Amino acid sequence: EPEVTQTPSHQVTQMGQEVILRCVPISNHLYFYWYRQILGQKVEFLVSFYNNEISEKSEIFDDQFSVERPDGSNFTLKIRSTKLEDSAMYFCASSETGGGRAFFGQGTRLTVV
Amino acid sequence: GNSVTQMEGPVTLSEEAFLTINCTYTATGYPSLFWYVQYPGEGLQLLLKATKADDKGSNKGFEATYRKETTSFHLEKGSVQVSDSAVYFCALSERNSGNTPLVFGKGTRLSVIA
Repeated sequence: EPEVTQTPSHQVTQMGQEVILRCVPISNHLYFYWYRQILGQKVEFLVSFYNNEISEKSEIFDDQFSVERPDGSNFTLKIRSTKLEDSAMYFCASSETGGGRAFFGQGTRLTVV
Repeated sequence: GNSVTQMEGPVTLSEEAFLTINCTYTATGYPSLFWYVQYPGEGLQLLLKATKADDKGSNKGFEATYRKETTSFHLEKGSVQVSDSAVYFCALSERNSGNTPLVFGKGTRLSVIA
């Protein structure tokens, strides 16, 4: 079965630093998503991306966050000036058709110290 | 807004026991309903789904029926195996909208012991 791959699997960063989380969606998929899960809490939607632009974002996705598809294969989430409360598991997902089956990566665990 | 509520875990069962994980939802429209599973060290995988009332999703011995009258989508399996140990997430997505994100429950950790 095709896979969404995320790197790194675990990232530790100091508070105030910028991090970039990377994802390679499935090649023929058109819709891309980032979700996060703070330990012990729900998986929360952050942002969706289609046709090279953000199509929807949650209230969590403020100016601290940005997404990019720099080269037609990678899909990145940048978090500027990280805070302790940004520590979470971040999941990338992609789907061929919006609202259809979403394929998820294995997640990147971000720890801000 | 839309929301999903799952039973709190962890759930610990013996092999071959019957499993039920309760899930109820609140939605403004007519959502599609999903169960995702996360095995240790892996990403979220779609387990089953149902797109309209009274539909039954099934896969790998797991079943869930879309009950509009009780706004529920409980996950069941008649005889669990050790390999079913994982975290299970109930989720919904509004239909009839091109690019709708999933709304997840908190997840229920299942441990099956031999």
